[in-house]
Amino acid sequence: DIVMTQSPDSLAVSLGERATINCKSSQNLFYSKYNQNYLAWYQHKAGQPPKLILHWASTRESGVPDRFSGSGSGTDFTLTISSLQAEDVAVYYCQQYFGTPQTFGRGTKVEIK
Amino acid sequence: QVHLVQSGAEIKKPGASVKISCKTSGYTFTNYFIHWVRQAPGQGLEWMGFINPSNGEKVYTQRFQGRLTMARDTSTSTVYMDLSSLTSDDTALYYCAKDVGGSSIAVAANSWGQGTLVTVSS
Repeated sequence: DIVMTQSPDSLAVSLGERATINCKSSQNLFYSKYNQNYLAWYQHKAGQPPKLILHWASTRESGVPDRFSGSGSGTDFTLTISSLQAEDVAVYYCQQYFGTPQTFGRGTKVEIK
Repeated sequence: QVHLVQSGAEIKKPGASVKISCKTSGYTFTNYFIHWVRQAPGQGLEWMGFINPSNGEKVYTQRFQGRLTMARDTSTSTVYMDLSSLTSDDTALYYCAKDVGGSSIAVAANSWGQGTLVTVSS
């Protein structure tokens, strides 16, 4: 199985500041035939189902604020929240869908400092 | 508007089975894979597998092989997940989720059910 390693486990950021979450895959997630990285990012708030915010590593879902962005390729990826808002407090997961089973990282808890 | 509505919470004894339904609406049922994901208390997300409602093709995570069954009913746009031989380790919140689509493979999930809590306890 492809192992997804996220860092840090948690981070506290001041309102309006940048939050950066890293995700490393044990295998290459880039499929050259389709020029895509098979990686998604989810936001999971307590008491709610997860919410997809990015897939194909950097494609933002409809309605997701543009302060959320994804970057990286191959085995190393980053989710950036450019200006943290109070409503962004959540656990964030990366997920690969390059191989079966799909696998998630262990999650990164984002809080307000 | 896309909706996925799951059946209610279940309490089961060890060794029993549980069947969860996921009724979908607001889109063409056969055009999108349905994923199942669970979250045990205090733990992260765990992908269990998916079903292709168009042809019934299923892919399960190896660790659930032999005790996980997914099915679909195209007449009611409903997907079912059956997990047998339950242990306390299966206590979790179970989600069904609709695939993003636009690909011949299962991708990510952009619409989720509300979750079904399954508690396994003697």
